[in-house]
Amino acid sequence: QVQLVESGGGVVQPGRSLRLACAASGFTFSNYGMHWVRQAPGKGLEWVALISGDTKTKYYADSVKGRFTISRDNSMNTLFLQMNSVFADDTAAYFCAKGKREESYYSDLDSWGQGTLVTVSS
Amino acid sequence: DIVMTQSPDSLAVSLGERATVNCKSSQSVLYSSNKKNYLAWYQQKPGQPPKLLIYWASTRESGVPDRFSGGGSGTDFTLTINNLQAEDVAVYYCQQYYNTPLTFGGGTKVEI
Repeated sequence: QVQLVESGGGVVQPGRSLRLACAASGFTFSNYGMHWVRQAPGKGLEWVALISGDTKTKYYADSVKGRFTISRDNSMNTLFLQMNSVFADDTAAYFCAKGKREESYYSDLDSWGQGTLVTVSS
Repeated sequence: DIVMTQSPDSLAVSLGERATVNCKSSQSVLYSSNKKNYLAWYQQKPGQPPKLLIYWASTRESGVPDRFSGGGSGTDFTLTINNLQAEDVAVYYCQQYYNTPLTFGGGTKVEI
């Protein structure tokens, strides 16, 4: 079955960088768009970024554009989120999620990891 | 950006009764070429990631009990939970995937 396991979260100082990873298994990774979604403590869900299966297309939420970079290594079945210039509002649980549709990266999300917590604090 | 507005923020329903969650999008998420609504519903229990319940506004994901149903089209959608069970206590989110940025509603907390 599909498994997504995030790693890389932790406490980071404002203005610093952090790299999250998501190891995927149980499906043909390169066929599907992948997404990062975050959830601040006690708050709702916020979509962060997506990357197409062929890595050619990337989209970002305005709140992270220019600071975060999504990437993937299809040979390693791994999704990444490089987070630069973080600030307090980036504090959240970060989930990686698999798009349901092979034919489009505009997609509902049918599998989610357990999340990794990022805390931005001095 | 398409803004998704859910109502109510929370509701309390007796066991065995019906819960109805509403979701309104700021523009239509109905794609004219395939007549599909790009709208999904998720369930999130405390300490867990979200779980896909409904896609294309009304299609149940595999394994989701048939007491969950989705309806609506265009800009107005509903999630209905019939015969509410204790395990249905959760926060429910709608999400549009018509275009980017993908956007979620603010969530509706369903309690007993």
